[in-house]
Amino acid sequence: QSVLTQPPSVSAAPGQKVTISCSGSSSNIGHNYVSWYQHLPGTAPKLLIYDNTKRPSGIPDRFSGSKSGTSATLGITGLQTGDEADYYCGTWDNSLRVFGTGTKVIVL
Amino acid sequence: QVQLQESGPGLVKPSETLSLTCTVPGDSIRSYLWSWIRQPPGKGLQWIGYLSYSGSTNYNPSLKSRVTISMDTSKTQFSLKLSSVTAADTAVYYCARENTALEAIDYWGQGTLVTVSS
Repeated sequence: QSVLTQPPSVSAAPGQKVTISCSGSSSNIGHNYVSWYQHLPGTAPKLLIYDNTKRPSGIPDRFSGSKSGTSATLGITGLQTGDEADYYCGTWDNSLRVFGTGTKVIVL
Repeated sequence: QVQLQESGPGLVKPSETLSLTCTVPGDSIRSYLWSWIRQPPGKGLQWIGYLSYSGSTNYNPSLKSRVTISMDTSKTQFSLKLSSVTAADTAVYYCARENTALEAIDYWGQGTLVTVSS
């Protein structure tokens, strides 16, 4: 059902870096800003990145976002055990809010 | 920190109407879009729709025929009604604030599990 495709999971050891891709099309990512959300089970999702690359106040610079064409990427450096969560990209598609399929980050 | 809180029955019978309410900070309601999003067990996020302060709405086409999002007259709560529910509507339901200046959802509620079962 999701129009944005993410890998099911990515993993790395503490201190390492992971990247999460979000693939869309010209009707969504290609013409709209991308945001990224961190979701730990049982908690409220948290906004990590907005406007493709910007971090809200309080989000560490270990989290970064980028966008190129119809794809976007979330990067997490200096991976910590507390980063183990599900991550979702989001954008608009013809005035409808859409989310990615979600990626589980596993800290080895 | 903006606190959003969902409330409503955790169990709804098939074919009945699911009703949830979200309490929002009263002084911020004018400047944002107020959304409902759900997550079925083991699945990803699904956007249901949003309501603006002016009363305009926008719904997910896959749910549009069954969904109503409205705001109460005090402008401190907005609600979700989903009619003719089935087991496929079992999910954690989140209310959220869509910040148009950020083009992002900047605050979410904790979520509430609604199970559809007889």
